Amino acid sequence: EAGVAQSPRYKIIEKRQSVAFWCNPISGHATLYWYQQILGQGPKLLIQFQNNGVVDDSQLPKDRFSAERLKGVDSTLKIQPAKLEDSAVYLCASSQTRIRAYEQYFGPGTRLTVT
Amino acid sequence: QKEVEQDPGPLSVPEGAIVSLNCTYSNSAFQYFMWYRQYSRKGPELLMYTYSSGNKEDGRFTAQVDKSSKYISLFIRDSQPSDSATYLCAMSARLGAQKLVFGQGTRLTINP
Repeated sequence: EAGVAQSPRYKIIEKRQSVAFWCNPISGHATLYWYQQILGQGPKLLIQFQNNGVVDDSQLPKDRFSAERLKGVDSTLKIQPAKLEDSAVYLCASSQTRIRAYEQYFGPGTRLTVT
Repeated sequence: QKEVEQDPGPLSVPEGAIVSLNCTYSNSAFQYFMWYRQYSRKGPELLMYTYSSGNKEDGRFTAQVDKSSKYISLFIRDSQPSDSATYLCAMSARLGAQKLVFGQGTRLTINP
């Protein structure tokens, strides 16, 4: 079984530029999560999708971050414009269902550096 | 006050030692407790999942939950160099309805 795929693995941009991350979850997983992990901290949930609907985006900075999950499979997370404090690893995870949230499978992450 | 507190370490022990990793929390509604292992440059992977109080054992790993003290632990017996990683605790009040809240992680090194 293939794991969660993410691209790119690394990205360096200047502040005020835009950036997009892509995630392909495990086949058949209905629930998809985007996390932000700042160096030395645990992951913080940004947004959670159930199929192609948003379940929780309470911690997503909506003035600059957006995410979508078209057709309930792949997802993209966008930042526009980026700030220095957005430097972090962006993790995508998926689980079979919302109830099985304890069994989330994580991708390798995208390491973003904003200069 | 953070909802979940975890000693960031770093923690360095010799191979074969028993390791104790701990988290405290403030939200008494938390019922589901997880431990994840994260190797450098990788995403977290689930190690143990426990519901409510009590102990759970899986091979060399034992998870303990003490809800009265709002304290959870992960014990690693006969630690191996391959156990060197960052260990994250995570918890939730209602799976599927409320998000996982992660601790900041403890960086562990097992020295051969």
